[in-house]
Amino acid sequence: ETGVTQTPRHLVMGMTNKKSLKCEQHLGHNAMYWYKQSAKKPLELMFVYNFKEQTENNSVPSRFSPECPNSSHLFLHLHTLQPEDSALYLCASSQEDRAGNTIYFGEGSWLTVV
Amino acid sequence: QKEVEQDPGPLSVPEGAIVSLNCTYSNSAFQYFMWYRQYSRKGPELLMYTYSSGNKEDGRFTAQVDKSSKYISLFIRDSQPSDSATYLCAMSLTGGGNKLTFGTGTQLKVEL
Repeated sequence: ETGVTQTPRHLVMGMTNKKSLKCEQHLGHNAMYWYKQSAKKPLELMFVYNFKEQTENNSVPSRFSPECPNSSHLFLHLHTLQPEDSALYLCASSQEDRAGNTIYFGEGSWLTVV
Repeated sequence: QKEVEQDPGPLSVPEGAIVSLNCTYSNSAFQYFMWYRQYSRKGPELLMYTYSSGNKEDGRFTAQVDKSSKYISLFIRDSQPSDSATYLCAMSLTGGGNKLTFGTGTQLKVEL
């Protein structure tokens, strides 16, 4: 079993749909992240949760709504998305009270908005 | 100016070649440097992690950091077709996951 698991791996949704992406980490980490990856662009940090508390929201539109019920699970709720939101959405986790640590990614959820 | 610059490629090399992948950065305060490998339609996986300047070797991979030039490199010796992937550089001030700055990634293809 991989350290960070994301479901679904692929999602096609219409602009009026509501869907959710799910992430679970099995590494015992205390921080979780959502990143967006679009073609030819650097990874964009969307949200950060430390100990279940949201500590960062990088000016993400409100049509993306994160939820972190505990330190192992993270959701990204999607509603009324736009075609330009089509991208790979990556979940990641890290242990933030350990110096020199870095993040570990899941396999990603490919989202296509039609 | 972008904070981290990375040539997107694609870079195509024959099997067995030595590959050099590079990133330059503008923030001299960066202290932690990482390389991630991302296969097509997969998430990035951590390949190398270094602190401050110097070299780090792991099998066929060597990561090199030159803080005076604000330049980092990843060398792959005896490249294999299985090394075909996109390589992302990343760096941070504190080493935590919270403030990583990524390059755009370099696409590498190792041909038989």
